[in-house]
Amino acid sequence: KAGVTQTPRYLIKTRGQQVTLSCSPISGHRSVSWYQQTPGQGLQFLFEYFSETQRNKGNFPGRFSGRQFSNSRSEMNVSTLELGDSALYLCASSRGTSGVETQYFGPGTRLLVL
Amino acid sequence: GENVEQHPSTLSVQEGDSAVIKCTYSDSASNYFPWYKQELGKGPQLIIDIRSNVGEKKDQRIAVTLNKTAKHFSLHITETQPEDSAVYFCAATTRRGSTLGRLYFGRGTQLTVWP
Repeated sequence: KAGVTQTPRYLIKTRGQQVTLSCSPISGHRSVSWYQQTPGQGLQFLFEYFSETQRNKGNFPGRFSGRQFSNSRSEMNVSTLELGDSALYLCASSRGTSGVETQYFGPGTRLLVL
Repeated sequence: GENVEQHPSTLSVQEGDSAVIKCTYSDSASNYFPWYKQELGKGPQLIIDIRSNVGEKKDQRIAVTLNKTAKHFSLHITETQPEDSAVYFCAATTRRGSTLGRLYFGRGTQLTVWP
């Protein structure tokens, strides 16, 4: 079974631009979560989607948004990029059906903001 | 929310020795504790997990113990090998209502195994 895939793997943007990252979960998984990983803050939760609905949100500004499509694929968008947004953005998927479930991570998208 | 602390931040061991990484959590309602291994340039990979109704779980050279009373859990790696070198993260989460549980991560432990 294929794992979680994320595209693109690397991105370079300049301040003020916006960016869209994509995540395809493991087949059959309906929950997708996004995390930001930086050396300074570690792994921080952005948001979680299930059945096209945002079910949980972390403490990030409104410039960070996401959505989920009917096939469970998810995108996250960051508008008006800041230097501090440079990070590894990780997507994790789980079945999302009941209880506490294992989350499987993708390889991440490395974003560099200049 | 939940606060997970992880120690040590770096750990160097000789090949064949054991390595232990410890984590504490603050929310007594947390009921699931996964451990992830992250190699350079890759996303975190689940290596073992434990649920709150179990005190210990073992998978070959890797074991995890959980003490709910003290709110701490530990990762034990025996007979370490150079390929065990990576950053290890502990995490905790709770299911409340319809929320599946965001993962709260520790800050990570850089494990280096010297041949």
